Amino acid sequence: NAGVTQTPKFQVLKTGQSMTLQCAQDMNHNSMYWYRQDPGMGLRLIYYSASEGTTDKGEVPNGYNVSRLNKREFSLRLESAAPSQTSVYFCASSEGDRGDQPQHFGDGTRLSIL
Amino acid sequence: ILNVEQSPQSLHVQEGDSTNFTCSFPSSNFYALHWYRWETAKSPEALFVMTLNGDEKKKGRISATLNTKEGYSYLYIKGSQPEDSATYLCAGSGGYQKVTFGIGTKLQVIP
Repeated sequence: NAGVTQTPKFQVLKTGQSMTLQCAQDMNHNSMYWYRQDPGMGLRLIYYSASEGTTDKGEVPNGYNVSRLNKREFSLRLESAAPSQTSVYFCASSEGDRGDQPQHFGDGTRLSIL
Repeated sequence: ILNVEQSPQSLHVQEGDSTNFTCSFPSSNFYALHWYRWETAKSPEALFVMTLNGDEKKKGRISATLNTKEGYSYLYIKGSQPEDSATYLCAGSGGYQKVTFGIGTKLQVIP
């Protein structure tokens, strides 16, 4: 049982390059999330999705786009990477859509923008 | 959105000591409170989700309580062990998918 799988685990980009971070879950969860984690700050929500085909902005959505093509997969795209997007990115999933179910996290993607 | 604050930000205890941390939140907008444990180089792992005032949950030596009327939750660790060293995150929900995480309490248990 893999849980939440993120790819890649590490990536280095140059400013202006684009990239898609992939996330898949095998727990049949309805809700999926993308967070970024920066030193001295808590996990900050970038985008979330309550169900297939729906997405909503979180706290820090600027510079990102997401796609929820099916129930399993939720991808995060950086169209034109900037050094301020250097961070560790976590994908998570949970049952339900009311915030009263625990979130299950992937192992994270460490992204550096030069 | 339910914003949460955690204290202290870091804590050092001796092996065998019991300890506790606090998560506070505005009681007027409460729906659910989460606690997670985050070990270095790993991903956050859910410990508890609580929704009802007076809720108490326990997992081994770790327990948590919830007071929604006064807006706080305590996480207790009894007889701390070195393997308990981690960052403990609190997160709050106001009733929608958005769950807001605190900065965490970093616990170091000294053998």
